[in-house]
Formats: sequence, C-alpha cells, structure tokens
Amino acid sequence: ETGVTQSPTHLIKTRGQQVTLRCSSQSGHNTVSWYQQALGQGPQFIFQYYREEENGRGNFPPRFSGLQFPNYSSELNVNALELDDSALYLCASSGPGNGSSYEQYFGPGTRLTVT
Amino acid sequence: AQKVTQAQTEISVVEKEDVTLDCVYETRDTTYYLFWYKQPPSGELVFLIRRNSFDEQNEISGRYSWNFQKSTSSFNFTITASQVVDSAVYFCALGNEYNTDKLIFGTGTRLQVFP
Repeated sequence: ETGVTQSPTHLIKTRGQQVTLRCSSQSGHNTVSWYQQALGQGPQFIFQYYREEENGRGNFPPRFSGLQFPNYSSELNVNALELDDSALYLCASSGPGNGSSYEQYFGPGTRLTVT
Repeated sequence: AQKVTQAQTEISVVEKEDVTLDCVYETRDTTYYLFWYKQPPSGELVFLIRRNSFDEQNEISGRYSWNFQKSTSSFNFTITASQVVDSAVYFCALGNEYNTDKLIFGTGTRLQVFP
C-alpha cells in the first residue's frame, strides 16, 4: 500500500510568483485535505477536496486554490506569492467515505520558501 | 470559537523518565473529536489517537496513555519510560462532528529525550 506522497520536497520562489504543489493520495482514499504549517506553529487547514469538489475551506484568501483529479490526486496552487506564504504545506488523505473520516494520513510535506 | 492550547512549548527529559504533554481545548459543540499527532523531523504527521467527546475512558497503548477530562476540557498525553525515539513535536487537534478531517491544531510541544 503506497502512502501519501508530495512533490516537490522543497521549493524556492520569489514574491509575486505562482506555485503548484502536488499530492498523491493513499490508495483507496477519495478525500484530500491541505494544511499550511508555518515555522513553529501547528498546521492550519486550507481546504479539502472530496470526489473532485471543494468540501470545506479554512480562512485563506482566494489566491489559494486547488484541484482534485479523477484518480483523487490533488494540486494546491498559490498565486501572487507573499513572504508569509513561506511554510511547510502538508497534504492528508482519508477515506473512502463522505469527506469526513476519523483518521487522516499525512504526506511528508513540501517546504516552500518565498524570497 | 474552537481553539486548542498546548502551553508547553518545549520539554526536555532524560531517557526512561515519564513525561506528560498537556492539551486544553475550547469548543461549544457537544460532539467533537480530539486527536494527538506526532511530527518527527521528517515532517509528516503520524496519527496516535482519536477520542470522541462521549468517550471519557482513559486509554493506554504500550508506553502511551491518554487522559481525557471533559470537566477541565483537557486531553493530556503521557509517555512512560521515554526513549530517544520519542523525540518529536507532538500536536493535539480538535475536529467537529460534521468534518472530522478539518482539524484545528495546537501549536505543538517539542519533546527532546536525551540518552
């Protein structure tokens, strides 16, 4: 059974640029959630995708957007990058279910640095 | 508003000592879920335990035990006979009954176990 994978591992971008982060969910999982973890903080929920539809969103601006594909993998896109977007971005998958499970499996994260 | 507080930023112990990590939560929901996750240096969050608000039984799993007290809104985590491999950041998190994947995390407690 393959776990949750994320790519790239590390990324350095310049303020104002756009970035796309990728996540492959664990086999059999149909729900993907994205979290942002700033240095020294706990993860913060960005949004969740269930069966290719957004299924809940945290307190993040519209420049944070996402997609989920038919194979349940997912992308997180961030436009107009700001310095405060520098963080570890974690993807978690769960299911099968209705978008709400009791155990999420997290990937290793993508470390984004904005300069 | 929902909130999770982990007042201990960092704890250092010597191997074989017992250590308790504190977690205090706030919620107006009557049904909710509490979680503990471990984050080793590799970055991915590892699920440790889930508790629902109606189950106040304490739980023991090997060297790990959890004490849930609704009266004080606390869900504390104890590691008995700590080991160097327990060194990590530990997060307490709160989920609601409508979407248990949308978690609110505390700021984490960094545990360092020295040999």
